[in-house]
Amino acid sequence: KAGVTQTPRYLIKTRGQQVTLSCSPISGHRSVSWYQQTPGQGLQFLFEYFSETQRNKGNFPGRFSGRQFSNSRSEMNVSTLELGDSALYLCASSTDISSGNEQFFGPGTRLTVL
Amino acid sequence: GEDVEQSLFLSVREGDSSVINCTYTDSSSTYLYWYKQEPGAGLQLLTYIFSNMDMKQDQRLTVLLNKKDKHLSLRIADTQTGDSAIYFCAAIDYNQGGKLIFGQGTELSVKP
Repeated sequence: KAGVTQTPRYLIKTRGQQVTLSCSPISGHRSVSWYQQTPGQGLQFLFEYFSETQRNKGNFPGRFSGRQFSNSRSEMNVSTLELGDSALYLCASSTDISSGNEQFFGPGTRLTVL
Repeated sequence: GEDVEQSLFLSVREGDSSVINCTYTDSSSTYLYWYKQEPGAGLQLLTYIFSNMDMKQDQRLTVLLNKKDKHLSLRIADTQTGDSAIYFCAAIDYNQGGKLIFGQGTELSVKP
């Protein structure tokens, strides 16, 4: 079974731009969660989608948004980029995290904002 | 909500055992996980334990859970240089929809 894939792996953007990151979950997984990893804040939960609906959201500003498609693929969008958005963005898939099923992570997208 | 804490660094010699510790606050967390992150990579699920278990062994990995003290540990036997990585403890927070709450990560350095 193929693992979680994320594209692109690396991105360089400038302040004020917007960016879209993509995540393809493991086949059969309907839950996709997004996390931001930075040296200062560690791993922080952004949001979770299940069957195309946002089921849970972390404490991030409205510039961070996402969506999930009918094939469970998910995208995350960040608008009006700030220097502090530079981070590793990780996507994780699961059959259903609300049932405690384990989450499998992709390799991440490294976003650098200049 | 759930809070998870870990010590930040651990250094061991190759062949020794490593013990990485973690504490959590929410006793309703029924699943507790250990993830490994190598430089430049995502998180790899190593193992997990249900809250009704005290111990789980998987090859060189042993997880111990003390529910009374809300303390979780990961023991790596015969530690190798390839085990050098950051290890994250994580707990499910059902009060927040089942999202994972991660500790800060413990950087394990294995010296030959």
